[in-house]
Amino acid sequence: DIQMTQSPSSLSASVGDRVTITCRASQSISTYLNWYQQKPGKAPKVLIYAASSLQSGVPSRFSGSGSGTDFTLTISSLQPEDFATYYCQQSYSIPPITFGQGTRLEIK
Amino acid sequence: QVLLQESGPGLVKPSETLSLTCTVSGGSITSDYWSWIRQPPGKGLEWIGYIYYTGTTNYNPSLKSQVTISVDTSKNHFSLKLSSVTAADTAVYYCARAPRLTMIGSWFDPWGQGALVIVSS
Repeated sequence: DIQMTQSPSSLSASVGDRVTITCRASQSISTYLNWYQQKPGKAPKVLIYAASSLQSGVPSRFSGSGSGTDFTLTISSLQPEDFATYYCQQSYSIPPITFGQGTRLEIK
Repeated sequence: QVLLQESGPGLVKPSETLSLTCTVSGGSITSDYWSWIRQPPGKGLEWIGYIYYTGTTNYNPSLKSQVTISVDTSKNHFSLKLSSVTAADTAVYYCARAPRLTMIGSWFDPWGQGALVIVSS
């Protein structure tokens, strides 16, 4: 199985901050990496697919980069609605599809 | 706009079979791949498996002995059965679409709202 490791596991930041979350795969997954945002009590929502493609309707302050084993999700200027948990997910090697453990983004 | 809705019992006894159905509206189930994903309370996401409308399935090896996913194209829904459940299977169960011609490289969008299933006597 491909293990996905996110860092940090939790993060405190302020509105307006630039934030970066990292996801590392245990082996190369090309650019088959997706990012999700999950708010309490809600289903995850895809933000970025194929490492760097912005899902329709997602604000442009979200961006993704990386290939191989190392990937980043960047929020250029945090907004109040961005405080949530973020997950990465690989679909390069199936089964299984695997997710990172999540990064909880909290208000400082 | 495709919408997904999970339905099924919210309480299942240990050793019994958990059964959920995901109804697809706003689009046909005879395209794309369809998955089940679960999330134990306060924990992360675990992919359970997927099905294609032809009936082709693929399961998480860690759950393979317990899982059956099936599809009913006439009702535009697909279903999950998880046998011999224990308290460790207590989770919110989500259904989701993988909007690509292949699962390799795919992502999940949209998701259902989720169904909490508690395993308890």
